[in-house]
Amino acid sequence: DIVMTQSPDSLAVSLGERASISCKSSQSILHISNNKNYLAWYQQKPGQPPKVLIYWASTREAGVPDRFSGSGSGTDFTLTISTLQAEDVAVYYCQQYYIKPYTFGQGTKLESK
Amino acid sequence: QVQLVQSGAEVKKPGASVKVSCKASGYTLSSYDINWVRQAPGQGLEWMGWMNPNSGNTGYAEKFQGRVTFTGNTSASTVYMEVKSLTSEDTAVYYCTRRLSWFDYWGQGTLVTVSS
Repeated sequence: DIVMTQSPDSLAVSLGERASISCKSSQSILHISNNKNYLAWYQQKPGQPPKVLIYWASTREAGVPDRFSGSGSGTDFTLTISTLQAEDVAVYYCQQYYIKPYTFGQGTKLESK
Repeated sequence: QVQLVQSGAEVKKPGASVKVSCKASGYTLSSYDINWVRQAPGQGLEWMGWMNPNSGNTGYAEKFQGRVTFTGNTSASTVYMEVKSLTSEDTAVYYCTRRLSWFDYWGQGTLVTVSS
């Protein structure tokens, strides 16, 4: 199985500041045939299901604010929130959909300082 | 608009079984795989497996093999997840989710509580 490891486990950032979350996979999730990284980022708020923010490692889902961006390739990925808003307080998960079982990172809890 | 609506919360005794439904609307159920993900209280997301509603093919994460079954009724646009031999470790919110490649739409979740 591909193990997804996020860091940090929790993060406190002041409103208006930048937040970055790292996600590392235990093996490459870059598909050579199409040069796509099979990596998604989800946001989950209390009592709600996860919501996809980013897929293909860097493509923003429709309607997601452009302060959210994804980067990285191969085994190392980053989710960046350029200017933290109050509504961004949530738990964030990365997920690989390269191969079954589709595994998630352990989650990063993002709070405002 | 696409929606996945799940059945309501359940309370079960250890050893019992539970069946959760997931009704799709706004698209043709048979066009995309449905996956199931669970989340124990205060914990992360755990992928359980998938079902192709068109073919009926299924696949299960190793830890759920033999204890979890996915079925579907395309005419009712509904898929089902059954978990047998429940223990307290199965207390969790269970989500159905549509797989585009990533998981683009999610049900609201069904809380299953296993308690004597």
